[in-house]
Amino acid sequence: TQLLEQSPQFLSIQEGENLTVYCNSSSVFSSLQWYRQEPGEGPVLLVTVVTGGEVKKLKRLTFQFGDARKDSSLHITAAQPGDTGLYLCAGAPSGTYKYIFGTGTRLKVLA
Amino acid sequence: SAVISQKPSRDICQRGTSLTIQCQVDSQVTMMFWYRQQPGQSLTLIATANQGSEATYESGFVIDKFPISRPNLTFSTLTVSNMSPEDSSIYLCSAGQGGEEKLFFGSGTQLSVL
Repeated sequence: TQLLEQSPQFLSIQEGENLTVYCNSSSVFSSLQWYRQEPGEGPVLLVTVVTGGEVKKLKRLTFQFGDARKDSSLHITAAQPGDTGLYLCAGAPSGTYKYIFGTGTRLKVLA
Repeated sequence: SAVISQKPSRDICQRGTSLTIQCQVDSQVTMMFWYRQQPGQSLTLIATANQGSEATYESGFVIDKFPISRPNLTFSTLTVSNMSPEDSSIYLCSAGQGGEEKLFFGSGTQLSVL
């Protein structure tokens, strides 16, 4: 079974703080995706990272794909209450289109 | 992008009954998947809905319990059969295009079984 382990599981921080969420696996993925989910909604794609070592920025969010394509990180700078939600990494193991999801990180940003 | 309509959005059902969840995509997609999400948890893949053929189920999920249909490239249904309280969960439909490495999701169906 290929697993995507995320850490931390829960995170509660003050507005303006920085944070990093990690997504780790023992398997190689052709790409990894990050989603954010809010209550009552389905996950919404934030970014896809494809190349080992790749760094992508989306406003205050920075995503990195590990060199070996087994792990990824999401860094949020100056977090805002609107960043609150469940963050999920996901990937399709090499050779498949079957997406599995990480264990999730629930973020709460306090005003 | 794809917009996915899923219904019902929520339902409360009696033990032993069955519920069929519908998923409609506003454009043709190559891939459709069904996921289950327990409260506060991540998503677990139930099955891949294959157009014109039997769905491909993940370990722990069987066709008799979760029959799936996909008659065309824009529509799929998931039935939760002979429900028990353990089936109470959020069921999510998702869709994507092969090679595009992104999934779109419906808003989910929140199922409560009494």
